[in-house]
Amino acid sequence: GQQLNQSPQSMFIQEGEDVSMNCTSSSIFNTWLWYKQDPGEGPVLLIALYKAGELTSNGRLTAQFGITRKDSFLNISASIPSDVGIYFCAGANTGNQFYFGTGTSLTVIP
Amino acid sequence: EAGVVQSPRYKIIEKKQPVAFWCNPISGHNTLYWYLQNLGQGPELLIRYENEEAVDDSQLPKDRFSAERLKGVDSTLKIQPAELGDSAVYLCASSAALGGYNEQFFGPGTRLTVL
Repeated sequence: GQQLNQSPQSMFIQEGEDVSMNCTSSSIFNTWLWYKQDPGEGPVLLIALYKAGELTSNGRLTAQFGITRKDSFLNISASIPSDVGIYFCAGANTGNQFYFGTGTSLTVIP
Repeated sequence: EAGVVQSPRYKIIEKKQPVAFWCNPISGHNTLYWYLQNLGQGPELLIRYENEEAVDDSQLPKDRFSAERLKGVDSTLKIQPAELGDSAVYLCASSAALGGYNEQFFGPGTRLTVL
């Protein structure tokens, strides 16, 4: 199956720093989702995007649906230790078929 | 509202043994997904149900894997016989496309270890 490209693959940052990650696809999507996965748990939905150019926030998290509809971005401001985990993007076209990114592993150093 | 429920959370079996995983989706969600997640990778779709119908099972290894969703609610994924390479996390998810908005929610997963 198709997997989307996420970058960076991993990040090590100091507590309080801002974080940016992105996800790209060769296909156009009409829905982008961002998830966080903690060890031993399933992915938890953070933000959902439904319109090209849309910018949506959830607390310290902000995500954008790229204008080309082939990419999306996630930013985390003022990182804290509990932000540690693996972040996945997922894109969907018409219907209920989702494709997932390869993940960005985030480590926050106190 | 209860989330997606999966059981068991962990399973250890010897190769060539059968194994089954169970999933109960969020109430009212007509779409149910089974994903395979290998270490360090994103989820990969095995099968997708719309109500009782398997609408996408192209990635399901049908020689050993089977799934059912008889009443359009809970679902079972079975592997028989299991192989060493089947060790992974098996995730169940559900979604309900309402008014054009489509969000997918995951269960905690079943971690399978095949010895």
